[in-house]
Formats: sequence, structure tokens, C-alpha cells
Amino acid sequence: EVQLVESGGGVVRPGGSLRVSCVASGFTFEDFAMSWVRQAPGKGLEWVSGVNWNGASTVHADSVKGRFTISRDNARNSLSLQMNSLRADDTALYYCARGGEIDYCTGGSCYIPDYWGQGTLVTVSS
Amino acid sequence: DVVMTQSPLSLPVTLGQPASISCRSSQSLLHADENTYLNWFQQRPGQSPRRLIHKVSDRDSGVPDRFSGSGSGTDFTLKISRVEAEDVGVYYCMQGTHWPPTFGQGTRLEIK
Repeated sequence: EVQLVESGGGVVRPGGSLRVSCVASGFTFEDFAMSWVRQAPGKGLEWVSGVNWNGASTVHADSVKGRFTISRDNARNSLSLQMNSLRADDTALYYCARGGEIDYCTGGSCYIPDYWGQGTLVTVSS
Repeated sequence: DVVMTQSPLSLPVTLGQPASISCRSSQSLLHADENTYLNWFQQRPGQSPRRLIHKVSDRDSGVPDRFSGSGSGTDFTLKISRVEAEDVGVYYCMQGTHWPPTFGQGTRLEIK
């Protein structure tokens, strides 16, 4: 069974930093691209960041580019999102999501989520 | 960015009746590899999203066959043949053809 468990959420002041993480199990982690998708309270879904299977390629939405960094550790089956210069509008539930499998996806299609974690809440407030 | 527009935004349905949600994209979702990367997600109250449909009409594992997807180019539809109580929630379309991936605003399905 595919499982994705996020952690690291919390309350941070505007301008501050936070790192959220995700541990994966139930599939061969190194064979899949991974993404972070967020959902502001009571709002819709926004794709945030993605990383390919070996971590060599990362992509970010314009809204977080230059502030957020996605990374992965295949030895530990883990995914991370380092968030700097946080703003109030970054307040959201951050979901870890599995993307496409190596050799079975191309380009942006590799970051289409199929399995999602339960999310970790990040609140940016003074 | 490709804008995904769903309608209606609210959908009251009687149990056992069909339901239909429309999703339109601001650009064609036909990829150069000849696939169309249009997906549908269901988010039940208090739960994480779950993918129902990928590549327009392919149902994900475990998804009941009362859910079906159709469409091409810029116009797509999710249909539920007979709505059940467990179908209550918000439905999102999402495109993965163009960069960055983008979601529709969501359609809230409720039981009348």
C-alpha cells in the first residue's frame, strides 16, 4: 500500500523559514517523480514544486520560485520542501504527492499526482 | 499559465441520479506525444484528494465504474452515472500538458 506521511508543519512569522518533509513507503521511491501541492484554508489546490526521480531536476511554481527548494533522499525514501521568506499567503495544508514513474512519463506529466499524503499545515502569522 | 474553468461550481444532486461536471482549458491539452493529460480528482470532506481519472478517460485503480471521463482539446466532462452518498465532496480537474500543472476551481457536489 502506498503511504506518504508528511511532517514539520507549524506556525512561523512572516519572513521566516520552515522545512516540511515526507516519508514514503509501499513503492519503489527512487522510480517516481514527486511533488508538493498546497491548499489554503477553504480554497482550491495549487501545485507548488516537483522533483524528478534522481533529484537532478527540480521545478517550482512562479509563486514560490526563489523562496522554496524541493529535494529528495532516495536512500531514506524522503522528500523535503525548504521554505524561506514565508508570507501570509503561503499559509496552507502542504500535501506530498507521488508523480509519474520513470520511463512512463514525459515532461510536466511526470508531476501529475496520483497518491497523496494527509498533509501538514503551515501557518504564517505574526 | 493554462486556466482551467469548471462548471457548475455547486452541484446539488438527488441520490441515484446522474451528475456531470464540465472543465474547459484556455489552451488545447493535446500534448506533442499525442496524449491529453487531463485528470480528475475527488476530495471528500476532511480528506486528501484522490485521483479518479487520468488522460481524460482512464479510471484509476479502485475507482467505481459509475465515474467516467470524456472530452478532447479544451472541453472535458466528468460524469457520475448514479450518485451515491459517498460521492459528496469537491471535484477538481487538472492539466499536466503545459507547464506549470494547473487545477480548476473545484465543483462542490452535494446531495439534494
